[in-house]
Amino acid sequence: DTGVSQDPRHKITKRGQNVTFRCDPISEHNRLYWYRQTLGQGPEFLTYFQNEAQLEKSRLLSDRFSAERPKGSFSTLEIQRTEQGDSAMYLCASQRATQETQYFGPGTRLLVL
Amino acid sequence: ELKVEQNPLFLSMQEGKNYTIYCNYSTTSDRLYWYRQDPGKSLESLFVLLSNGAVKQEGRLMASLDTKARLSTLHITAAVHDLSATYFCAVDRETSGSRLTFGEGTQLTVNP
Repeated sequence: DTGVSQDPRHKITKRGQNVTFRCDPISEHNRLYWYRQTLGQGPEFLTYFQNEAQLEKSRLLSDRFSAERPKGSFSTLEIQRTEQGDSAMYLCASQRATQETQYFGPGTRLLVL
Repeated sequence: ELKVEQNPLFLSMQEGKNYTIYCNYSTTSDRLYWYRQDPGKSLESLFVLLSNGAVKQEGRLMASLDTKARLSTLHITAAVHDLSATYFCAVDRETSGSRLTFGEGTQLTVNP
């Protein structure tokens, strides 16, 4: 399978705990994006990387959120001190270059109790 | 701030009928995308429209783009049950690093 992969697919955690998600983009895609989707809404942009550089962060990305792409390949998204409002589907997408399609992974569904 | 609006948000139609989903966006955009999402699943790319007047077709779906009107349409011809899903349009701007701004989605149900 050469598509975008995400791990884990589901995560249930208690409020206040930290969680980390991983995204493996399509090989040779130098752009990687994180989005968040809540029920009944379209995905909302969180942040994106070009190679290892994090070039933009949304206002949605509070100080509790941090993302990395250390070697320009896979990326991690960490949420510290989770809150119930963090419950959502977290989607990763990769793109080879501008003017091309962003390909989405299967997502990580987070439930904060 | 770039805003994207879709209508209708909910669409119930019979097999064999034709219908159009509309996508309006608020500011000049470089590119427009259509995605499909099945319940509990991720997004599947359908079309990328890169210029004014662009038209793309795949099976029973046809998408078009009018950048002057800031409008894209997704036309469904002779709908079949398998087309039941939520359809999203999204736009990006090179000045914003190609991040996508999505509409709310149109939930399509095709009834036998």
